[in-house]
Amino acid sequence: DAKTTQPNSMESNEEEPVHLPCNHSTISGTDYIHWYRQLPSQGPEYVIHGLTSNVNNRMASLAIAEDRKSSTLILHRATLRDAAVYYCILRDGGAQKLVFGQGTRLTINP
Amino acid sequence: NAGVMQNPRHLVRRRGQEARLRCSPMKGHSHVYWYRQLPEEGLKFMVYLQKENIIDESGMPKERFSAEFPKEGPSILRIQQVVRGDSAAYFCASSPKTGGWNTEAFFGQGTRLTVV
Repeated sequence: DAKTTQPNSMESNEEEPVHLPCNHSTISGTDYIHWYRQLPSQGPEYVIHGLTSNVNNRMASLAIAEDRKSSTLILHRATLRDAAVYYCILRDGGAQKLVFGQGTRLTINP
Repeated sequence: NAGVMQNPRHLVRRRGQEARLRCSPMKGHSHVYWYRQLPEEGLKFMVYLQKENIIDESGMPKERFSAEFPKEGPSILRIQQVVRGDSAAYFCASSPKTGGWNTEAFFGQGTRLTVV
């Protein structure tokens, strides 16, 4: 599985935007970029995914670099409930499974 | 449409006993994945199953652990002769039959196994 690199932790303030970076320099052409998050004491939760174009949904936006070697998850207006560990995962059709790294622990200050 | 259901939510077993963890995927989903999360650690893939088939068990310990996903009923993760090191949260996820890597996986709330 292609590898992703994320900062161990980040901190932001409530109601401010948050940009969570992810590097994936060995990404292949068929790898989708998926983001999940895990709130304390809960199972992981899907956030967003994309292939080449930027993506938006009700939870977040995903900005993908033109060369696809990096991406950024954008939370437009963080709330306290967004405090979680965020995982950037590359998923290819052959493997099917999601391989979780260490993720980024996001802390939101009131 | 109910989400992925795991039971029990909490399970306490004495060393040497068997633990059976159940996972009912979302309606219409035929792909099931099991993950283990040790305290303060990340999620580790264990096994990927489709109905009546084990597709990828590369993350399963070689001994004491087994998984099944029968034609009818929930997926079962079985741990025989549990040891203290098996204490962890076990998560199940499901995804639809088609779409593969272009679909999201839905996770359950997990079963927290404590071995005493």
